[in-house]
Amino acid sequence: DQQVKQNSPSLSVQEGRISILNCDYTNSMFDYFLWYKKYPAEGPTFLISISSIKDKNEDGRFTVFLNKSAKHLSLHIVPSQPGDSAVYFCAAFSSGSARQLTFGSGTQLTVLP
Amino acid sequence: DARVTQTPRHKVTEMGQEVTMRCQPILGHNTVFWYRQTMMQGLELLAYFRNRAPLDDSGMPKDRFSAEMPDATLATLKIQPSEPRDSAVYFCASGFPGGNEQFFGPGTRLTVL
Repeated sequence: DQQVKQNSPSLSVQEGRISILNCDYTNSMFDYFLWYKKYPAEGPTFLISISSIKDKNEDGRFTVFLNKSAKHLSLHIVPSQPGDSAVYFCAAFSSGSARQLTFGSGTQLTVLP
Repeated sequence: DARVTQTPRHKVTEMGQEVTMRCQPILGHNTVFWYRQTMMQGLELLAYFRNRAPLDDSGMPKDRFSAEMPDATLATLKIQPSEPRDSAVYFCASGFPGGNEQFFGPGTRLTVL
């Protein structure tokens, strides 16, 4: 039973346009959400996070939106750049637990020049 | 430049052999995680340590996998005996006390023939 789902395995976007990556979760105990970016042959690197007390968090070109009622979050990248091409993982944990991350299966983003 | 290091980066072995993977967490971090990435399952949590004590290893096949932290600068993941289905990339991650982010190493790509 996947508690964190990324239903789009891949996404292609033109350089300069907006990239929107989606993530759904089923565990209502999750209250902290993170996005990681992963390049080939490297480990995932932290990108941006959001607590359940917020519905938006912004960091430069990256914005994460959280819709708790829908158990849905999304990552917006504006404008998209070719260097953003990577696999993006959504992850979540419950702060009442041991803070173990549950990851989605990832979305491969390709930004076309 | 503080990073999580993992050795070896690549390992090819034959079925039945013992495999040991090593991880050096970032100095000052008190949590260590082992993950396995496969094409089918994405990133799965195998084991989790806090202050060198194992808190959760429920994701690990107990009959062949073992994880230890002999000291604060070394975490090990051992597979004995290895099987072809263990072929995957194994990531180690560490986190600082009270932090939400996890910092990943570059991974060990294991191939069991």
